[in-house]
Amino acid sequence: GQQVMQIPQYQHVQEGEDFTTYCNSSTTLSNIQWYKQRPGGHPVFLIQLVKSGEVKKQKRLTFQFGEAKKNSSLHITATQTTDVGTYFCAGPNSNSGYALNFGKGTSLLVTP
Amino acid sequence: KAGVTQTPRYLIKTRGQQVTLSCSPISGHRSVSWYQQTPGQGLQFLFEYFSETQRNKGNFPGRFSGRQFSNSRSEMNVSTLELGDSALYLCASSPRQLVAGELFFGEGSRLTVL
Repeated sequence: GQQVMQIPQYQHVQEGEDFTTYCNSSTTLSNIQWYKQRPGGHPVFLIQLVKSGEVKKQKRLTFQFGEAKKNSSLHITATQTTDVGTYFCAGPNSNSGYALNFGKGTSLLVTP
Repeated sequence: KAGVTQTPRYLIKTRGQQVTLSCSPISGHRSVSWYQQTPGQGLQFLFEYFSETQRNKGNFPGRFSGRQFSNSRSEMNVSTLELGDSALYLCASSPRQLVAGELFFGEGSRLTVL
């Protein structure tokens, strides 16, 4: 079945360093979404990418959607302690567009 | 606007019991989805409802069921609980109708099965 994979599983950085997480789908996606979950919290929607090759920025966060619409990345410039959490990518299920398939997430730890 | 509200937030049950979890979506959102989150499996889709109709069900046994009411509120039920059902159950609502759009999650109901 359709799979959404993320790497790395964990990342530990010093505050101020950059961070990137990568997401790959086994099938072409109509869109890809990114969520952030703080420790003890719930996933919070960050952004949705729809177009092939799309790049969107939110302050220090840069999101990219691959040309083939099968991969995506999230890059954080100059991490801060407030960036701590798990970042998930998700894409519509190929069998049913009403469900999202989530990657297992990348847990980011930032030490001051 | 109030966010997605889930009750109860925490509950402890024993094997063989059943549990009902409740979700009130954001006002105006008619799509409600349920996800199970565990450390090993991550976020797994349970089911999605729109206008009281279940449009899709994930790969979970029949012990997991749900429904949606005319006011878009939703409930999910797990019968004959097993230890492996211990998880965070997340409800999410969406303003999108035709395809899985951005999800607004509630804080979740953390179920512990002893």
